[in-house]
Amino acid sequence: KAGVTQTPRYLIKTRGQQVTLSCSPISGHRSVSWYQQTPGQGLQFLFEYFSETQRNKGNFPGRFSGRQFSNSRSEMNVSTLELGDSALYLCASTLSAGDTGELFFGEGSRLTVL
Amino acid sequence: GESVGLHLPTLSVQEGDNSIINCAYSNSASDYFIWYKQESGKGPQFIIDIRSNMDKRQGQRVTVLLNKTVKHLSLQIAATQPGDSAVYFCAENAGGTSYGKLTFGQGTILTVHP
Repeated sequence: KAGVTQTPRYLIKTRGQQVTLSCSPISGHRSVSWYQQTPGQGLQFLFEYFSETQRNKGNFPGRFSGRQFSNSRSEMNVSTLELGDSALYLCASTLSAGDTGELFFGEGSRLTVL
Repeated sequence: GESVGLHLPTLSVQEGDNSIINCAYSNSASDYFIWYKQESGKGPQFIIDIRSNMDKRQGQRVTVLLNKTVKHLSLQIAATQPGDSAVYFCAENAGGTSYGKLTFGQGTILTVHP
């Protein structure tokens, strides 16, 4: 079956702009999590969604937001981009929020802010 | 100013050797631990997991050891192959109802020489 799909894979924005990233989880998976990966901070949790509800949020400013749709697809948005937002944004899905099964990661969306 | 990046530990081994990658975790309440492998340009890939009520778990060519007393996790890879070259991350989860929220370690770069 198809894995986690993230779009776009690469994008370049300028400071002050906003960006929306999309994630399609594995079919049947209802929980979607987002992570930011940078050389300076490593992999950091952004938020988790289950059944269109945000269940957890990491320590990121309010410029970072997300949502989940009824088909479990998720989007995250970053407004008023800063240079430090340049990162690989990873989406992961699992069957349910209470499942200890593995998280399946997509290949990420690489954002460059100029 | 210039950002300080993570200086990832590195492990360099010869093909066929056994590799041991170590990880110290921080949260004594964590009850679920996972090892991920990340190859260049790809998202993290699940290797093996372990619950806190276990101290050892074996997979195909991999073994995870958990020492809760000293909050230490290790990944052993038997007969390491060039295809094992990647960055390896340990991750912990504090449990509850949300297993999509993981805290990742900084990672270890494994290089396998033919």
